[in-house]
Amino acid sequence: AQSVTQPDIHITVSEGASLELRCNYSYGATPYLFWYVQSPGQGLQLLLKYFSGDTLVQGIKGFEAEFKRSQSSFNLRKPSVHWSDAAEYFCAVGANTGGFKTIFGAGTRLFVKA
Amino acid sequence: EAGVAQSPRYKIIEKRQSVAFWCNPISGHATLYWYQQILGQGPKLLIQFQNNGVVDDSQLPKDRFSAERLKGVDSTLKIQPAKLEDSAVYLCASSLRGEGHETQYFGPGTRLLVL
Repeated sequence: AQSVTQPDIHITVSEGASLELRCNYSYGATPYLFWYVQSPGQGLQLLLKYFSGDTLVQGIKGFEAEFKRSQSSFNLRKPSVHWSDAAEYFCAVGANTGGFKTIFGAGTRLFVKA
Repeated sequence: EAGVAQSPRYKIIEKRQSVAFWCNPISGHATLYWYQQILGQGPKLLIQFQNNGVVDDSQLPKDRFSAERLKGVDSTLKIQPAKLEDSAVYLCASSLRGEGHETQYFGPGTRLLVL
């Protein structure tokens, strides 16, 4: 069965420091992979997605992610975190189960300290 | 371009009562999704519509939950009767055609508290 694991429930980084959020997936075929961000009281917003081509994907707000098939991973990175990046981040996989279904991980909450 | 609209934003009810949520997707989007997000968890798909037809409702508790999208535009999700464990945020999303690589656009959600 398809699944998404985000090993870190929460992460704290200092403003200006680099960030990496981990995501591992389980899916038999080449997946569609997404990172969404959810700020308090708001819906989810797409940061970036991968479905083919270059395995290093650039997104909005300075984020990037790298698809590594051998590790079944799609980690999210940012070289320098801003206080406004504090939010919850969800990794998701688009799976073909007859129709396409998006399966979300449990999320990683990012705290940014001054 | 207007985003996905949802109402109400908050709702508090007692168990065994009924409640309904409304969603208006982005204009022209054929696919509409309802997700349930329990505190501390990722969104879980409840039901997916393609125009006014149901594509996937495998995780919808059909004994108490129902949803419709009669004219292929806006949609309502109903819970009757509500249980304590239905306390969650209900997110509506839409996408252009429902293809796997497409971006889903989410509304702000309805936060439900069942007492």
